[in-house]
Amino acid sequence: NAGVTQTPKFQVLKTGQSMTLQCAQDMNHNSMYWYRQDPGMGLRLIYYSASEGTTDKGEVPNGYNVSRLNKREFSLRLESAAPSQTSVYFCASSRRGAGALEQYFGPGTRLTVT
Amino acid sequence: QQQVKQSPQSLIVQKGGIPIINCAYENTAFDYFPWYQQFPGKGPALLIAIRPDVSEKKEGRFTISFNKSAKQFSLHIMDSQPGDSATYFCAASAPGRQLTFGSGTQLTVLP
Repeated sequence: NAGVTQTPKFQVLKTGQSMTLQCAQDMNHNSMYWYRQDPGMGLRLIYYSASEGTTDKGEVPNGYNVSRLNKREFSLRLESAAPSQTSVYFCASSRRGAGALEQYFGPGTRLTVT
Repeated sequence: QQQVKQSPQSLIVQKGGIPIINCAYENTAFDYFPWYQQFPGKGPALLIAIRPDVSEKKEGRFTISFNKSAKQFSLHIMDSQPGDSATYFCAASAPGRQLTFGSGTQLTVLP
């Protein structure tokens, strides 16, 4: 079991460029999440998908879009990258959404926008 | 608006010491309080979690203390080891709601 995998591991973008961060899980989990981690800010939820076919905004959704491609895959897209989106992005999954369930995190994507 | 306030931001202890990380919250609907551990270059991983119906939970050298009336909870690491050096995040969630994370504490345990 690979758990939660993310690609790419590192990315440098220029302001205005677009890119998609990929995430996949092999634990047959229903729910998936995208977080960003910034120094002193902890982990902030960008979007989540409680189940296949549904997506919802989290705390900081502006500038991002998501696609729940199937039960395994959940992608995060930056349409026009801004320096404020420089961050480490983590994908996570859980057996089902909300409530007291363990979330399993991927290794992260370190994104720099210049 | 930070719903879960975590302190300190960083903490250095000697091997064998007992680091304590504190979190405070305002939302009385929160009913699940996990702690996540993150090593450099890795994603966070669940360490231990508590519900408000108990005041303390121990798993190995890790203990959560919970004070419902004060709306505070803390993580204690007994007999800390250099391998415990990591960033620790507290979090909280209300029924049917997503997790809210604290800002993190970078712990260094000196050999």
